[in-house]
Amino acid sequence: DIVMTQSPDSLAVSLGERATINCKSSQSVYFSSNDKTYLAWYQQKAGQPPKLLFYWASTRASGIPDRFSVSGSGTDFTLTISSLQAEDVAVYYCQQYYSTHYTFGQGTRLEIK
Amino acid sequence: QVQLQQWGAGLLKPSETLSLTCGDYTGSFTGYYWSWIRQPPGKGLEWIGEINYSGSTNYNPSLKSRVTISVDTSKNQFSLKLTSMTAADTAVYYCAKSSGSGGLYNWFDPWGQGDLVTVSS
Repeated sequence: DIVMTQSPDSLAVSLGERATINCKSSQSVYFSSNDKTYLAWYQQKAGQPPKLLFYWASTRASGIPDRFSVSGSGTDFTLTISSLQAEDVAVYYCQQYYSTHYTFGQGTRLEIK
Repeated sequence: QVQLQQWGAGLLKPSETLSLTCGDYTGSFTGYYWSWIRQPPGKGLEWIGEINYSGSTNYNPSLKSRVTISVDTSKNQFSLKLTSMTAADTAVYYCAKSSGSGGLYNWFDPWGQGDLVTVSS
């Protein structure tokens, strides 16, 4: 299995400040043959199903605000919220699909400081 | 608008079989794989398996011996059966569209609303 490890497990950020969430895979999720990185990000608010934020590591899903951005390559990736809004309080997950045994990170809980 | 609607029994006894069904209202049933994913209370996400229109399946190896995912193409529905349920299988179960290019190697979007399944004697 490809193990996905997120850090930190939780963080508290002030409104308007930057939030950064990290995701590390136990092996590269980049496939050189097609130059694609097999990583997705999700946001899960309390009592709701997860919502797709990004796929192919950096393709923004429909309707996702541009204060959300991603970076990274190979095994190390970062999700950044440039200016935290109250509605961004949620648990964030990364997911690899390089292996067809899809796996998720353990989640990072984002709260308002 | 509702894109995936799921239903099934929410309370099971140990050793019973979970049965859930998900209906697709996205209008793209034939072109994709369709997944089941679960989330124990307060914990993270675990992918269970997926199926396509033709009935080809891909299962999580850790659950494969207990899982059957089937498809009803006449109704644009797919179903999950998980046998020999224990308390460790208590979770919110989600259906989701496996949204890659129509084959394997998928992310998930959209998701169903989730069903809490509790296993208790």
